[in-house]
Amino acid sequence: AQTVTQSQPEMSVQEAETVTLSCTYDTSENNYYLFWYKQPPSRQMILVIRQEAYKQQNATENRFSVNFQKAAKSFSLKISDSQLGDTAMYFCAFMKPETGANNLFFGTGTRLTVIP
Amino acid sequence: DAGVTQSPTHLIKTRGQQVTLRCSPKSGHDTVSWYQQALGQGPQFIFQYYEEEERQRGNFPDRFSGHQFPNYSSELNVNALLLGDSALYLCASSLYGGSGYTFGSGTRLTVV
Repeated sequence: AQTVTQSQPEMSVQEAETVTLSCTYDTSENNYYLFWYKQPPSRQMILVIRQEAYKQQNATENRFSVNFQKAAKSFSLKISDSQLGDTAMYFCAFMKPETGANNLFFGTGTRLTVIP
Repeated sequence: DAGVTQSPTHLIKTRGQQVTLRCSPKSGHDTVSWYQQALGQGPQFIFQYYEEEERQRGNFPDRFSGHQFPNYSSELNVNALLLGDSALYLCASSLYGGSGYTFGSGTRLTVV
């Protein structure tokens, strides 16, 4: 079974600063997807960034980037120039592509607070 | 373009009762997945529906059942509610076999 571990229950960062959220996972698969989702108080899960395991290049989306270390099974999220709107729960998630049904395995989340 | 719509947003039920939650997928999506998110936890996969059939199921008892209709919308039913069923229930839609999920805002179920 796939497991996803987020060891930082809570983090805070000053506005405009940079913060890194950690995630490790356990799998015997070679091909898979990794995701970071943001869940604000509105409760909707919003995709922040996605990484395909076969791609060596780290994914980047504007102020969000990842450090994907496949051998170490590590997938951290870096948020640059933090904004007040980044305050939310952040979940790391794993997906093993299968023929047909795919489902996500989530970590327990990190609550990020951006301080003005 | 409507995203994923879930109803109701909040619900309070008594232990032992039955509940039905509803989900309309994003336009163009044909697959609906349901997740349970207990307080302070990450979401856990319940099951996934495609072509009106359950295609994959997580580690949930048979009290949890579902249905998908020809218009791709879906229902989650929970029988014999337990206090431990209190959670946020999230619906997500996608294309079958795809990795791009769109989530709804969830239904907050409280069992008293």
